[in-house]
Formats: sequence, structure tokens, C-alpha cells
Amino acid sequence: QQQVKQSPQSLIVQKGGISIINCAYENTAFDYFPWYQQFPGKGPALLIAIRPDVSEKKEGRFTISFNKSAKQFSLHIMDSQPGDSATYFCAAQAVFSSGSARQLTFGSGTQLTVLP
Amino acid sequence: DGGITQSPKYLFRKEGQNVTLSCEQNLNHDAMYWYRQDPGQGLRLIYYSQIVNDFQKGDIAEGYSVSREKKESFPLTVTSAQKNPTAFYLCASSISAGDNEQFFGPGTRLTVL
Repeated sequence: QQQVKQSPQSLIVQKGGISIINCAYENTAFDYFPWYQQFPGKGPALLIAIRPDVSEKKEGRFTISFNKSAKQFSLHIMDSQPGDSATYFCAAQAVFSSGSARQLTFGSGTQLTVLP
Repeated sequence: DGGITQSPKYLFRKEGQNVTLSCEQNLNHDAMYWYRQDPGQGLRLIYYSQIVNDFQKGDIAEGYSVSREKKESFPLTVTSAQKNPTAFYLCASSISAGDNEQFFGPGTRLTVL
């Protein structure tokens, strides 16, 4: 079964610090790697995404680092703020083996708490 | 406002009863999805639909059923055959099944007593 392994399960960071969440995958057919942010009682929202042909993508305080050879990618949140406190999911996407539809496989999530 | 609506937000049912969760989207998206979220396990795909009158099983379809009679609606029925139905259920949609980005609804928390 396709898997995406995410760590740590929980993370506590001081305001202004750097939050780092790591993910690893096995299936080399994955070709799109998004990160989702989820607040309690809400649905996940796309935060940032990367394709394997680039090693880094930055949007504001959020950066994805991608290591294709190691099959690992990570989310860095610079200058972390209390409003960033949420659960973060990495995911990987590939075409279903049965056709052209694309399937998202999610990591288990990281609960981030940014202390004021 | 364009988006995905799920109702109800909270749902309580007795063990052995079937229950249907609603998902409606006005984004004119062709593809729709149902996921189940449990603590510490991320999101797992239950069913997906690429187009009206079509749907396919995901990774954990046992004990669930769906229909797609209208483009904007993709209801999920949790049947009595689902052994552990208490969970947070999320509906999502994308422009097409071949598109990268999926947009999620606010979710329905189902508790079976």
C-alpha cells in the first residue's frame, strides 16, 4: 500500500521560532506533494505544494524542501506565530493504477502549537 | 459564495442504523471525494466520483455506499456494516479527477452510540 510517513506527531515552538515537519514516501510514482493546514473542526486547506522537478518552493513564511533521491520532503514555517497553531498534513499524489484519476495519500498529521 | 457544504456538522446515531451524510458543491467541479479522518491516522479515501453517475471505491470502502445523481451532490451512506463508524468525515472536490488540487468541505463529525 502506498504510504507517506510524517513526523513528528506533535510539535511545540516558541513564537518567532522555526517549525519543521518531515515526510517520507516510498512510491516513486508520486508526482505532486501538497501540504494541508487544518484548524480544529474544519476541513483541511491547501497551504503550499511542490513538484519533484524542483528542490525548494517558498511562499511567504512557508517553504517546502524536497529531496527526490532520499524520497523526503519537509515543511518549514519561519517566524512561527500563534495563529499557525493547527494540524499539518503532508500528502503525495499519483495517478490511480486503474485509470487517469489522481489519488492523494496523506501523512498522519502533525499538531503544531506555537506558544506566545 | 462558492464552496463545499457538508451537513450536518455533528451527527449522532444509534448502533445498527444507517446514516447519510450530505455533501454539496457549487464550484462546478466534476470530481468529488469522501475521506474519513481518525486521530493520528490522517485522511483515508472512502469513495470518489469522476463524473455524474460514476463512482469508484477508495482504500476503505467497506461498510459505505455513495451515489452521484447530480454533479453538485455526492452523499455518503454509512451502513450498519461499518464496524467502527465514529469518525470525522470530509468531502472534497476537484475540477476534474486528473487535477492536482482538491478542495475540502468543513466536515461532519459522526458519533455512533
